[in-house]
Amino acid sequence: NAGVTQTPKFQVLKTGQSMTLQCAQDMNHEYMSWYRQDPGMGLRLIHYSVGAGITDQGEVPNGYNVSRSTTEDFPLRLLSAAPSQTSVYFCASRGKPNEQFFGPGTRLTVL
Amino acid sequence: GQSLEQPSEVTAVEGAIVQINCTYQTSGFYGLSWYQQHDGGAPTFLSYNALDGLEETGRFSSFLSRSDSYGYLLLQELQMKDSASYFCAVHNQAGTALIFGKGTTLSVSS
Repeated sequence: NAGVTQTPKFQVLKTGQSMTLQCAQDMNHEYMSWYRQDPGMGLRLIHYSVGAGITDQGEVPNGYNVSRSTTEDFPLRLLSAAPSQTSVYFCASRGKPNEQFFGPGTRLTVL
Repeated sequence: GQSLEQPSEVTAVEGAIVQINCTYQTSGFYGLSWYQQHDGGAPTFLSYNALDGLEETGRFSSFLSRSDSYGYLLLQELQMKDSASYFCAVHNQAGTALIFGKGTTLSVSS
């Protein structure tokens, strides 16, 4: 099993550009989430999904969209990138209620 | 909503014991989890407590008191490789996603 994979690993955007961060898992997990991590702020929940076709907002959803057309994939879209979205983004999936697996992260810089 | 409080930094020496505390406020409680993250890496699962008491896994133990909304992670026989950030986490109100604290940076010196 590859676990949770994320692409790209690094990305630089200009203000106003849009892009999609990809996330996939091969563990047949129902629960998937996106987090952003900034220094001193911990991991903040952006959006999450409890299954294909079902998504919901987390703590910091503004400026981001998600969709879940399959169990495996959970892409995160930045509609119009802003410097405040410079961060490290982690995708995670969870099967059992008590263990969450994280992808390796995407380091995004918005100029 | 959910909120968690944990110390921002803890320092210790090799071979020592360190305790990282976590207090939480949540409208629906499903359990307290702990994750470890090394610099530049992804968080990895350490432990989960749904019931009161101590859970032991090797050098690491985790404790929960639901009546006090409090838990801690206990690391024994500290090694240099234990230098990392440690996060406590609780489920959101619906139990469908994890909410994390801001993390505690542990520095282990020789």
